Amino acid sequence: GAGVSQTPSNKVTEKGKYVELRCDPISGHTALYWYRQSLGQGPEFLIYFQGTGAADDSGLPNDRFFAVRPEGSVSTLKIQRTERGDSAVYLCASSLRRAGEQFFGPGTRLTVL
Amino acid sequence: AQSVSQHNHHVILSEAASLELGCNYSYGGTVNLFWYVQYPGQHLQLLLKYFSGDPLVKGIKGFEAEFIKSKFSFNLRKPSVQWSDTAEYFCAGEKTSYDKVIFGPGTSLSVIP
Repeated sequence: GAGVSQTPSNKVTEKGKYVELRCDPISGHTALYWYRQSLGQGPEFLIYFQGTGAADDSGLPNDRFFAVRPEGSVSTLKIQRTERGDSAVYLCASSLRRAGEQFFGPGTRLTVL
Repeated sequence: AQSVSQHNHHVILSEAASLELGCNYSYGGTVNLFWYVQYPGQHLQLLLKYFSGDPLVKGIKGFEAEFIKSKFSFNLRKPSVQWSDTAEYFCAGEKTSYDKVIFGPGTSLSVIP
């Protein structure tokens, strides 16, 4: 399994709940990206990690969204007090280096009821 | 604000027809440009990329794109489409000095056998 993996593939939650979405990048890839894709739109940048640190988190929509990558590999996107508008497919991508080809995972489809 | 626009939301072609999907970006300066494809039920994958050099870029499956700096365009072309080219196509761009990758809204291509 050399690709980017994301778990869970689907997540249904209720408004106000907390969710965590996980991304396992390709081994050795130092750069990791999170995107959000709503129906009929292109992926929207959320946050970029270089190693363990968030190099650019300007895409996070508000302080309910937070992401970590404590050991420079697996990353978790955390959403507090979910809202119906958070429903989307959350995509993770990794690349060998900054500005390299990004390899995407299958996404997590989040539905907030 | 930086943006990427795609001219067509949905394109329907018969097999063997020629394809051109329009893409324009609003960045100034030096840019990296990409076309990604998402086949039904599959991950986003890179079709081709332009970083520098020859403005005519060839990608997988017979696709090519031409970077025209004066027009801020990076149109995708294929001389003869196949039914298997049915997919969603996304144009994307980033500044080479690193800025987040911005995706266009996507063009859905349906090829009729």
